[in-house]
Amino acid sequence: RKEVEQDPGPFNVPEGATVAFNCTYSNSASQSFFWYRQDCRKEPKLLMSVYSSGNEDGRFTAQLNRASQYISLLIRDSKLSDSATYLCVVDTGRRALTFGSGTRLQVQP
Amino acid sequence: DTAVSQTPKYLVTQMGNDKSIKCEQNLGHDTMYWYKQDSKKFLKIMFSYNNKELIINETVPNRFSPKSPDKAHLNLHINSLELGDSAVYFCASSQGNYGNQPQHFGDGTRLSIL
Repeated sequence: RKEVEQDPGPFNVPEGATVAFNCTYSNSASQSFFWYRQDCRKEPKLLMSVYSSGNEDGRFTAQLNRASQYISLLIRDSKLSDSATYLCVVDTGRRALTFGSGTRLQVQP
Repeated sequence: DTAVSQTPKYLVTQMGNDKSIKCEQNLGHDTMYWYKQDSKKFLKIMFSYNNKELIINETVPNRFSPKSPDKAHLNLHINSLELGDSAVYFCASSQGNYGNQPQHFGDGTRLSIL
């Protein structure tokens, strides 16, 4: 089983839609969780950390479910500029982070 | 005011050559990393250094040799380049010593082997 698994997509949604991505992780001892965003031919950039109680940043909401070992990202009122690949990131417990292979989102006008 | 900067941005070279990529961070972070992102877009860690000490050395051919002259710099030297080395190489840095903090990435070095 991969350490971090994501649906690769692509998710094609109209502007204004709500879209959710899930990610599962295999290491039950993982403590740190993040969502990153990567635009085409650019570097990954931190979108938000994911906290145990769930957290929100504007139109973005992240949730953590430790029992089922998954994290989720919800994007409300999608904008064209949200089109990117979203990477689920989990600490390995070995002084490193593991990046998922990403979920591609395409927001259409 | 670039936080993590890599040079060069593009590197086109022939098989068998030796090349280096440089990375510098001005964030005061203690840990630096090298990642390889291949054509399938999977981001795979190669090395990490914490205060100039090698922490992670994943299964990478020994043609790849990282060097950290100080905690703000982590360079990557590649000997005898092969076609399969074509990829984007990202440098990153993070606070702390446990590799569980958010990482900040450079904008990548696109390596193409002819």
